[in-house]
Amino acid sequence: DAMVIQNPRYQVTQFGKPVTLSCSQTLNHNVMYWYQQKSSQAPKLLFHYYDKDFNNEADTPDNFQSRRPNTSFCFLDIRSPGLGDAAMYLCATSASTGAYNEQFFGPGTRLTVL
Amino acid sequence: GQNIDQPTEMTATEGAIVQINCTYQTSGFNGLFWYQQHAGEAPTFLSYNVLDGLEEKGRFSSFLSRSKGYSYLLLKELQMKDSASYLCAVRDSNYQLIWGAGTKLIIKP
Repeated sequence: DAMVIQNPRYQVTQFGKPVTLSCSQTLNHNVMYWYQQKSSQAPKLLFHYYDKDFNNEADTPDNFQSRRPNTSFCFLDIRSPGLGDAAMYLCATSASTGAYNEQFFGPGTRLTVL
Repeated sequence: GQNIDQPTEMTATEGAIVQINCTYQTSGFNGLFWYQQHAGEAPTFLSYNVLDGLEEKGRFSSFLSRSKGYSYLLLKELQMKDSASYLCAVRDSNYQLIWGAGTKLIIKP
């Protein structure tokens, strides 16, 4: 089945220790997104790629970086995680030419910062 | 600013019908989405409305009134597995999704 995969599902890191979250997709979608979601809150868009074009949201902290080496893979790097960065990180994809262009989400990575 | 409003929490009884409302104020409109999110899981797509009116999909229906900036999600014949958060999201003129915080739906036997 075509899908969006995120690894790991659970990540524990220490305050200030860099961490990388990964996302891969078999849907061949050209748009990929990274969201941060805290409990009972709306998903917050961090950045998205339209093909290779990187789009950073204005309020995304510099602490967050992203890489998309090819169509299938996308990474979220948190350079110096703080306690406030503990959250669920969601990767999503969409096809710019789809009927609805709805976003398909991976299962998420829950990040704990100690 | 852009804003999506939905009730924080609702409670309904198994087998009943529930309507979850969403009002929005956005810069432009290019469609409204409803997603279901079970606790600790990712959102899954439920419905899409871009024209006024009702879209029916099995037990779930979604309604849109663009002039009122209003949508609702109607869930019929509620089942325990419908206990989840329901997120309303609007695609704005820049084709970005503006998300609501979600409505937590609690189903009681």
